[in-house]
Amino acid sequence: EIVMTQSPATLSVSPGERATLSCRASQSVRSNLAWYQQEPGQAPRVLIYDASTRATGIPARFSGSGSGTEFTLTISSLQSEDFAVYYCQQYSNWPLTFGGGTKVEIK
Amino acid sequence: EVLLLESGGGLVQPGGSLRLSCAASGFTFSDYHMSWVRQAPGKGLEWVSAISGSGDSTYYADSVKGRFSISRDNFKNTLFLQMNSLRAEDMAVYYCAKRVRPAGGHFEYWGQGTLVTVSS
Repeated sequence: EIVMTQSPATLSVSPGERATLSCRASQSVRSNLAWYQQEPGQAPRVLIYDASTRATGIPARFSGSGSGTEFTLTISSLQSEDFAVYYCQQYSNWPLTFGGGTKVEIK
Repeated sequence: EVLLLESGGGLVQPGGSLRLSCAASGFTFSDYHMSWVRQAPGKGLEWVSAISGSGDSTYYADSVKGRFSISRDNFKNTLFLQMNSLRAEDMAVYYCAKRVRPAGGHFEYWGQGTLVTVSS
């Protein structure tokens, strides 16, 4: 099983600042990685797929990078609606696995 | 518009059984792998099970293997999850999810989830 490790667990950021979230895979997943955002009481929604492609309707302030085992989600200037929990997920191998999540909270 | 609507959640005693359903619309259901993903209260996301478009291939997380069974009815565009021998740690919101490609890629669409509570 590929273990996905996200860091930090919690990120305190002021509105307008930049946020950088990390995701590490225990073995290479190539570019088969997605980032999801989840707000309280809601289903997750995809932000980034194939490591760096923004999903339809996702603002340009969200960007993804990396390949292999190291990945980054960057939010260039945090807006109020961006305070949420973010998960990475690999879809390279069965079983599909998620990281433990990073909560982005208001500083 | 793709819609996924889960049902069947509720309160069940430890050791009991429950069958979840997910009614799908807005796409050619039989073409796509479908998955169940769960989220325990206050915890992260955990993929549970998946099934191929034809239903011939199934996949399970180790945590549910031998207790849960995934199936589908392509005539009724419905996905199922039969959950047996339920444990306290199975308590979660269960989402059904559709991948972006018939047999791969990220989860493009999610249902709103159905809550399974395991308690005596």
